[in-house]
This record gives sequence, C-alpha cells and structure tokens, in this order.
Amino acid sequence: SQQGEEDPQALSIQEGENATMNCSYKTSINNLQWYRQNSGRGLVHLILIRSNEREKHSGRLRVTLDTSKKSSSLLITASRAADTASYFCATGGGSQGNLIFGKGTKLSVKP
Amino acid sequence: DAGITQSPRHKVTETGTPVTLRCHQTENHRYMYWYRQDPGHGLRLIHYSYGVKDTDKGEVSDGYSVSRSKTEDFLLTLESATSSQTSVYFCAISEPNNEQFFGPGTRLTVL
Repeated sequence: SQQGEEDPQALSIQEGENATMNCSYKTSINNLQWYRQNSGRGLVHLILIRSNEREKHSGRLRVTLDTSKKSSSLLITASRAADTASYFCATGGGSQGNLIFGKGTKLSVKP
Repeated sequence: DAGITQSPRHKVTETGTPVTLRCHQTENHRYMYWYRQDPGHGLRLIHYSYGVKDTDKGEVSDGYSVSRSKTEDFLLTLESATSSQTSVYFCAISEPNNEQFFGPGTRLTVL
C-alpha cells in the first residue's frame, strides 16, 4: 500500500514556469525523499528532507515538509524541457531504511 | 551514477519457468532492495537485504525469493514465473535512512 500520494497526477507547463508537486502521507516518518524518473530509466534521487527540517534547497529545487499536516511539496523553478519526467515522493521511517513510494506526478514541460 | 548494475536488462520467458535476476553493486552499501514497477501502482518493495544472508519480505513478496551470499550481489528468483509477474524490476542500494541509488532496471515479460 502506498504511503505517499502525489498531487497532481499529471502536470503540463511551459518552459520557464514553475512546477509545484505535492505529497501527502499517513504515518510518522524519519525522512521524505523525492526522486525523478525519465521514461524507461531508473529513478534518480533528488533531495532528502528529514523530519526535523522544514525546507531544503538544491539548485532549482525547493522542498518543504510540514509534519503536522503530513505533507511535502516539491517546487521546480524556471522549468526546462529536460525536467520532463515523473516525480515520486517516498517516505522513510522503517527500522531497515525502507522507503514507501507514491504513484508519482508526470510532469511535461513544453518548449 | 552509483556503481549498481542489473542483469539481464530484458528477458522474455514462459509461464512456469524459473527466472533469476541479478543486482551487483560496487559501493559496499549495506542495504539492497528489489522493487517492481507497474502502471498505476508506482514502485512496490518485493524483498530487501540488510546484510549478507540477512533478508526480509516487502509488500509484494509472494512468488519471489532472494539471496545475498556476498555484499555486492543480491539475487531475485521467480521460482515459477506467472504472467502477473510481468513488470519492470529495479534494484536499489543504500545506507539506512539515506537516499537510495537505483539500477537501470530489468524489463521482464512472462508469456
């Protein structure tokens, strides 16, 4: 069963616009991670935010975490056509470091 | 890319035959995972390993077994493949509660 649920399921924007994806989860977590997957490829780790952090930046990526609302958001600023991919949130908290993935948001950035 | 490879990359087999997928890492990470990815389900954990000869079940372990006799290798076996096991299989490695690094995937078709 999925822990994280991304919203929206699909998002289409123009190059240069910002893209925001949201993730909600149900139980307490140790950390929340975002991954990108290009079509037909493996997942690539983007950013990890721990439960005691509220915001984290990495280049054009900004992730927020609100543990009281059990939600996170991923913001991609000044999007590029190369950002076209599926984005997954994954929650971690198991004793063995297991992650539970959501079903993903499919982002399409049109040039 | 993290030093993680999967073999084979593609396989077509018939119902009832045994299949073994191999994951190999050169990073000396303690944890290794097998996921399957299906449309509408995202990534689901099959089995994971937290050390040599230490393995445990994930969310969708029925019909699968694993073995880890060396730190660098994690094998996934389908004892008797069924059409419902047609999927893309991903291996991942990590240290606990840190980011996971994914292999390129194996596309398995069971006819």
